[in-house]
Amino acid sequence: KAGVTQTPRYLIKTRGQQVTLSCSPISGHRSVSWYQQTPGQGLQFLFEYFSETQRNKGNFPGRFSGRQFSNSRSEMNVSTLELGDSALYLCASSLDGIIDSPLHFGNGTRLTVT
Amino acid sequence: AQSVTQLDSQVPVFEEAPVELRCNYSSSVSVYLFWYVQYPNQGLQLLLKYLSGSTLVKGINGFEAEFNKSQTSFHLRKPSVHISDTAEYFCAVLKQGRRALTFGSGTRLQVQP
Repeated sequence: KAGVTQTPRYLIKTRGQQVTLSCSPISGHRSVSWYQQTPGQGLQFLFEYFSETQRNKGNFPGRFSGRQFSNSRSEMNVSTLELGDSALYLCASSLDGIIDSPLHFGNGTRLTVT
Repeated sequence: AQSVTQLDSQVPVFEEAPVELRCNYSSSVSVYLFWYVQYPNQGLQLLLKYLSGSTLVKGINGFEAEFNKSQTSFHLRKPSVHISDTAEYFCAVLKQGRRALTFGSGTRLQVQP
């Protein structure tokens, strides 16, 4: 079974631009979560989608948004990029939630904002 | 509020030596506890989790952790490490009723020959 696939692996953008990251979950998984990883703040939860609905949201500004499609694939969008948005963005999928079905993480998209 | 504290940012250890990576949490309600490992340029992989029951939890790659409610700790241990265990290890908690993990800042385990 294929794992969680995130594309692209690397991105370089300039301040003020916007970016879209993609995540394809493991087949059959309906929950997709996004995390931001930076050296200073560590791993922080962005949001979770389940069956095309945002089910949970972290403390990030409105510039960060996401969506999930009917095939469970998810996209994350960041508008008006800032230097501080440089990070590794990790996507994780699970059957439903975290307790009974573990999170499976992708290898991440490394975003560099210049 | 809940937080997770990993007391050591780096732990150097020689191959075949035992290791303990420390994790403490604070929460006013019951939590579930997890340890994840991250190898270079990869995502996170679940090592083990504590949901309920026996406080000693065994995970993959020979790791185990013990939940201590009175000390609010969930330390990760391995009796004999290998070079291939070199990675970053994250402790995480999930508050009952929530769906998002709160991660500690990570501990970089460096296994030396």
